[in-house]
Amino acid sequence: ETGVTQTPRHLVMGMTNKKSLKCEQHLGHNAMYWYKQSAKKPLELMFVYNFKEQTENNSVPSRFSPECPNSSHLFLHLHTLQPEDSALYLCASSRHGGANTDTQYFGPGTRLTVL
Amino acid sequence: AQSVTQPDIHITVSEGASLELRCNYSYGATPYLFWYVQSPGQGLQLLLKYFSGDTLVQGIKGFEAEFKRSQSSFNLRKPSVHWSDAAEYFCAVGEDSGAGSYQLTFGKGTKLSVIP
Repeated sequence: ETGVTQTPRHLVMGMTNKKSLKCEQHLGHNAMYWYKQSAKKPLELMFVYNFKEQTENNSVPSRFSPECPNSSHLFLHLHTLQPEDSALYLCASSRHGGANTDTQYFGPGTRLTVL
Repeated sequence: AQSVTQPDIHITVSEGASLELRCNYSYGATPYLFWYVQSPGQGLQLLLKYFSGDTLVQGIKGFEAEFKRSQSSFNLRKPSVHWSDAAEYFCAVGEDSGAGSYQLTFGKGTKLSVIP
């Protein structure tokens, strides 16, 4: 499945570093999502963008900063993270509309380790 | 707010045996329900979804799920499991976020191991 790609696949960073995660979708979709998948916790929705506008911020700390320059690209800028932020970060996209007419397609994720 | 419970953290079945993964949801309105599968090191792949109509939903890879409103359940089934089905399975309920996108709330997942 190459519809949604994420880079890098693995990232190790110190707490004082600044890094960015990239997501790109090749499906012509209009909505993009960031999820966090931690061990032993359910997947958590972080941000939603629709037509490049942020429509959802699920009480995410400001050390995570999303950016959506166009409908095909989504970034997650990271700075001064904590070890508990170590997780798999998943990007998804969907065409439009509500859940009954749409499907979210997921990328393979970026495995982030914060030292 | 909606929530999803997957009571079984880990299930082990023999290859060729039948499988049922349980999912219970809490949602006030008519739910949009999904099952996703995640293989190690991979993203999530949609197996099937329910939004209305026939309560028995067919999906990919021979999976099916049945929506039972009276039990608030959406259990996933497969009559004969293959070794390649070993993965983690997630049930989710969807809610419109408005403005053309929607929010998925996931269960904690059930890890399936298959004995050859």
